Amino acid sequence: KNEVEQSPQNLTAQEGEFITINCSYSVGISALHWLQQHPGGGIVSLFMLSSGKKKHGRLIATINIQEKHSSLHITASHPRDSAVYICAVNEFTGNQFYFGTGTSLTVIP
Amino acid sequence: SQTIHQWPATLVQPVGSPLSLECTVEGTSNPNLYWYRQAAGRGLQLLFYSVGIGQISSEVPQNLSASRPQDRQFILSSKKLLLSDSGFYLCAWSLTGTNYMRYTEAFFGQGTRLTVV
Repeated sequence: KNEVEQSPQNLTAQEGEFITINCSYSVGISALHWLQQHPGGGIVSLFMLSSGKKKHGRLIATINIQEKHSSLHITASHPRDSAVYICAVNEFTGNQFYFGTGTSLTVIP
Repeated sequence: SQTIHQWPATLVQPVGSPLSLECTVEGTSNPNLYWYRQAAGRGLQLLFYSVGIGQISSEVPQNLSASRPQDRQFILSSKKLLLSDSGFYLCAWSLTGTNYMRYTEAFFGQGTRLTVV
């Protein structure tokens, strides 16, 4: 069983749609990260969360510590949002990160 | 504020050649340091982690090794690359305990895309 599960694995949306990507984890964590990876590109950190909600532009990330669940929302999606989105948690003892397998998002114009 | 540098961003190397990827962290001290690899179509897998200078733990037996010559420097190496070493390599850092949340989002390097030909 993976420590971090993401859903969906693949997502195709029309430009302008509201998008939600989900992440569930099974370990005690210090923080949860949302990362973005464009095809052939590097990693970009979007958010780090330990509680509540954060917003950056059209991106919103929420976390429910009791339910061990986080969501990444993209409002008014755009083709440039097409990328793989990865959820990662930092285990409470700080000894390693666990990564989800990623959600591949394609936004069609 | 802390930053993390990983280089190079992309690398094409012939089979049998050596490898050296470097990662440095600034703005913190005594971090835990990690190397992860993402093979094509798969998630990121922990290769090595270090809790201090000269202290390296290996999670997966492979053709690679890691070293931590300085507190904030982590190096991934190979003496002879194999085709199967191709993939995306990511350096990361963290801290144990309550100090973690003082820092911002710069916990991950940009990654290195290695192609062995």
